[in-house]
Amino acid sequence: DAKTTQPNSMESNEEEPVHLPCNHSTISGTDYIHWYRQLPSQGPEYVIHGLTSNVNNRMASLAIAEDRKSSTLILHRATLRDAAVYYCILSSSGGSNYKLTFGKGTLLTVNP
Amino acid sequence: GAGVSQSPSNKVTEKGKDVELRCDPISGHTALYWYRQSLGQGLEFLIYFQGNSAPDKSGLPSDRFSAERTGGSVSTLTIQRTQQEDSAVYLCASSVRRGTGELFFGEGSRLTVL
Repeated sequence: DAKTTQPNSMESNEEEPVHLPCNHSTISGTDYIHWYRQLPSQGPEYVIHGLTSNVNNRMASLAIAEDRKSSTLILHRATLRDAAVYYCILSSSGGSNYKLTFGKGTLLTVNP
Repeated sequence: GAGVSQSPSNKVTEKGKDVELRCDPISGHTALYWYRQSLGQGLEFLIYFQGNSAPDKSGLPSDRFSAERTGGSVSTLTIQRTQQEDSAVYLCASSVRRGTGELFFGEGSRLTVL
């Protein structure tokens, strides 16, 4: 499986935008980029996913580099409830695409 | 509620005992997944169900671990002769079908083996 690299931790201030980076230099053409987050003592929660084009939903935006070797999850206005571990995951559109491999993610701290 | 439901939420057991963990997926979701998360670690894939069959059991750590799914709905993860290293949060997820891009996770069952 293609691997992702994320910073161990990041800090942000409340109501400011947050850009969470993810490197995936070995991504293949059929790999989707998924983001999940996990709040303390909860199961992971889907945030967003994309293939090539940038994606927006009510939770966040996903900016994908033109060469797809990196992507950025954007939280437009961080709130205290956004403090969580954020996971960037690749899965292929075929084969074992059910088997999302979660790394250690980025621990986001939001300061009031 | 309408989410993935897991029980028990907490289970403390003695080494050597068997435990059963239950997952009730979202109605209509054909795909079901079990993951394990040890303290401070990422999620480790255990097994995947499509309907009642398990095409991929490759993540089960040993033959003490087994899982079944009946009626295309409820799944049970059984751990026999529990060991201390089995202590973890066991997470269940479901999706409408394989590869839809969104897995819905339950809140997990925290297993502590003394």
